[in-house]
Amino acid sequence: AQSVTQLGSHVSVSEGALVLLRCNYSSSVPPYLFWYVQYPNQGLQLLLKYTSAATLVKGINGFEAEFKKSETSFHLTKPSAHMSDAAEYFCVGGQNFVFGPGTRLSVLP
Amino acid sequence: EAGVAQSPRYKIIEKRQSVAFWCNPISGHATLYWYQQILGQGPKLLIQFQNNGVVDDSQLPKDRFSAERLKGVDSTLKIQPAKLEDSAVYLCASSLAGVSYSYEQYFGPGTRLTVT
Repeated sequence: AQSVTQLGSHVSVSEGALVLLRCNYSSSVPPYLFWYVQYPNQGLQLLLKYTSAATLVKGINGFEAEFKKSETSFHLTKPSAHMSDAAEYFCVGGQNFVFGPGTRLSVLP
Repeated sequence: EAGVAQSPRYKIIEKRQSVAFWCNPISGHATLYWYQQILGQGPKLLIQFQNNGVVDDSQLPKDRFSAERLKGVDSTLKIQPAKLEDSAVYLCASSLAGVSYSYEQYFGPGTRLTVT
């Protein structure tokens, strides 16, 4: 069965620190992967997507993700966290648009 | 460009009652999706339409859930009768034409359903 996993249901970082949110997918997932963000009381918003054009994908708000087929990973990073980055982040992939369980990012002042 | 519209935003019903949700996708988007997001979990795809035809409804509990997309634009999702475990946020999304998993989806604000 296709699956997307996210390590860590809750990640806390200090403002200005590196953000790393982990995503792994099962090898049966077709290589279309997305990261979505859900701000409190708002709808889901696309951060970035991978569609095999380039392994390093740049998204909005300074986020980027690297597709590593050998590790079946698609981790999301941002060099310097901002308070406004606090939200729920979802990794999504494959047929039936399988969502990971989500990672809640908290940014501490 | 107008986004995906959903109504109502909130709904509270008693178990065994029925409820319906409405979605209007972005103009020109042929593909429409309904998701169920239970608190603390990622959204789960319930049904996917391509124009007015069903592409995938494998995860739709068909004994109580139904959905339609007349004329290939607006869509309604119905639950009858509702159970306590149906309490969730119901999200509607749309994407450009074509059943391709590379197309990004645009999400509406969702309808929060509470079943008491």
